[in-house]
Amino acid sequence: KNEVEQSPQNLTAQEGEFITINCSYSVGISALHWLQQHPGGGIVSLFMLSSGKKKHGRLIATINIQEKHSSLHITASHPRDSAVYICAVTYSGAGSYQLTFGKGTKLSVIP
Amino acid sequence: DSGVTQTPKHLITATGQRVTLRCSPRSGDLSVYWYQQSLDQGLQFLIHYYNGEERAKGNILERFSAQQFPDLHSELNLSSLELGDSALYFCASSVGLAGNYGYTFGSGTRLTVV
Repeated sequence: KNEVEQSPQNLTAQEGEFITINCSYSVGISALHWLQQHPGGGIVSLFMLSSGKKKHGRLIATINIQEKHSSLHITASHPRDSAVYICAVTYSGAGSYQLTFGKGTKLSVIP
Repeated sequence: DSGVTQTPKHLITATGQRVTLRCSPRSGDLSVYWYQQSLDQGLQFLIHYYNGEERAKGNILERFSAQQFPDLHSELNLSSLELGDSALYFCASSVGLAGNYGYTFGSGTRLTVV
């Protein structure tokens, strides 16, 4: 079974702290995605990775293909970062690249 | 605005009824994916259409069906609704078939079955 595991499930941080969310998957993938879902419900794509590292503002995403593991880091966290962060992967083959999702990490950043 | 439009945003209906959810993909995107997000199951893939053709099916019930029209908008039809169908339904669009183009999500339709 293709599974995506995230940790931690819940995370509370003080404003300014460095945050790490982890994601591991069980089989080879074509790409890994980090998504953000705010309480209002909408989903925003943050990163798509197939190797290495990407940075956007205070967010950094890394992936280790050999270890089947990815991390999402948030530097200098802010209350507006409070959201659910979801790791998702795509598997190649059969002409469709639907996302398989982890259960999400609920982040609360306290002022 | 992500460029992907989903309507309606909220829908309340009774058990046994039928509803249609609509998704207009971002301009230029040929792929539309439908996902269901429920409290107990999380986000799950339902169905994928590319340029009018069904490409893959996931955990989609037989009571559910979908299609993609020539103008590339897609509709998800849910019939004989049950309480357990209450969920957020998202569509996401992508330029092509391959997974290296990224996805843009709509804001979702919140369906409540009473």
